[in-house]
Amino acid sequence: AQSVTQPDIHITVSEGASLELRCNYSYGATPYLFWYVQSPGQGLQLLLKYFSGDTLVQGIKGFEAEFKRSQSSFNLRKPSVHWSDAAEYFCAVGNNAGNMLTFGGGTRLMVKP
Amino acid sequence: EPEVTQTPSHQVTQMGQEVILRCVPISNHLYFYWYRQILGQKVEFLVSFYNNEISEKSEIFDDQFSVERPDGSNFTLKIRSTKLEDSAMYFCASSDYRAGDTEAFFGQGTRLTVV
Repeated sequence: AQSVTQPDIHITVSEGASLELRCNYSYGATPYLFWYVQSPGQGLQLLLKYFSGDTLVQGIKGFEAEFKRSQSSFNLRKPSVHWSDAAEYFCAVGNNAGNMLTFGGGTRLMVKP
Repeated sequence: EPEVTQTPSHQVTQMGQEVILRCVPISNHLYFYWYRQILGQKVEFLVSFYNNEISEKSEIFDDQFSVERPDGSNFTLKIRSTKLEDSAMYFCASSDYRAGDTEAFFGQGTRLTVV
């Protein structure tokens, strides 16, 4: 069965600092991997996805993520965090091109001025 | 930009009552989904729907749940006899499987409170 672990429940960073959110997955085949962001009262917005090809993927809002098969990881990064990035971030793995997503527990990001 | 629309944004219902959550997926999408998020817990897959039938469902999606596409635009989730533990945020999503490079677009959710 597929599963996703986000080890950090809460992270606080200063505005302008770099960010890395960790995600580890378990899946028997080549995974389809996603990062979603959820702002308070909002739905889930896709930041980026990995299906195949280049293991470093670029997303919206200056985010990127790197797929590392050997470590079963898909960590999300941003070089310089903005106050508006404060939100909850979810990593997810999909089967069959994303038709059933399994989500991690989420990481709540807080940004200090 | 096309988006998935869910109504209502918040619904309060009494235990044992039937509730219908409504969704309008993106118009050219073919796959439709329901997920739920109990407060403080993970987002969980409930069901996927394609070509007017359920394609996959989780163990959460038991006989009290049903989905329907009653017309060309709406996609509904019905809970027949609500329980307190059904209180959650319910997300509808849709995707264009034909694209081959798919992603699911999520609505803003319906917060269901069972009292």
